[in-house]
Amino acid sequence: GAVVSQHPSWVICKSGTSVKIECRSLDFQATTMFWYRQFPKQSLMLMATSNEGSKATYEQGVEKDKFLINHASLTLSTLTVTSAHPEDSSFYICSASRGRVEYNEQFFGPGTRLTVL
Amino acid sequence: ELKVEQNPLFLSMQEGKNYTIYCNYSTTSDRLYWYRQDPGKSLESLFVLLSNGAVKQEGRLMASLDTKARLSTLHITAAVHDLSATYFCAVDRTGTASKLTFGTGTRLQVTL
Repeated sequence: GAVVSQHPSWVICKSGTSVKIECRSLDFQATTMFWYRQFPKQSLMLMATSNEGSKATYEQGVEKDKFLINHASLTLSTLTVTSAHPEDSSFYICSASRGRVEYNEQFFGPGTRLTVL
Repeated sequence: ELKVEQNPLFLSMQEGKNYTIYCNYSTTSDRLYWYRQDPGKSLESLFVLLSNGAVKQEGRLMASLDTKARLSTLHITAAVHDLSATYFCAVDRTGTASKLTFGTGTRLQVTL
């Protein structure tokens, strides 16, 4: 149980285009989903937190107009990188939490590697 | 601002040896997680530590939590090559809808 998928697993795009990444919780309903980015040989940095049906909460320094997050249902969240540039190239990882009483463990997706040319 | 530091950042050890990775965090938290990441992959959950004094073991790995010292350790016993990976600790930011702050990561290389 507690499986999270991401699609696509990797994507290459031209500078200036937009890219959408999907995150799905396959066997549970996720009260909250999180989006992280990870640069090579670095740690994970939380970008934003989203709850179904409400606006995402972005971490300080993350451009909300550039990284659009839509949490359409309890099993699906999407991250759209708008007008992507080479500096947006990174490994994007989502996670989902099912909001258990004792602790809200996050279950991580397999990640999406974005390369912007 | 919560800060989470791990040391060492890189660890090269021979098979069969023991070693400990340390995770220090700067503010109060009662929940700490350990994850493993293989190159090019996402995170695999190893341990969830929910209270002061918690100790959990799985195979050659054992994790502990001292909330008073704001310190968690990940102890490796008789390392094997398959344990080579990057290990992250992450601390739950109390009262913030379970947002995690990740440590800097420790890249472990176990040599034959």
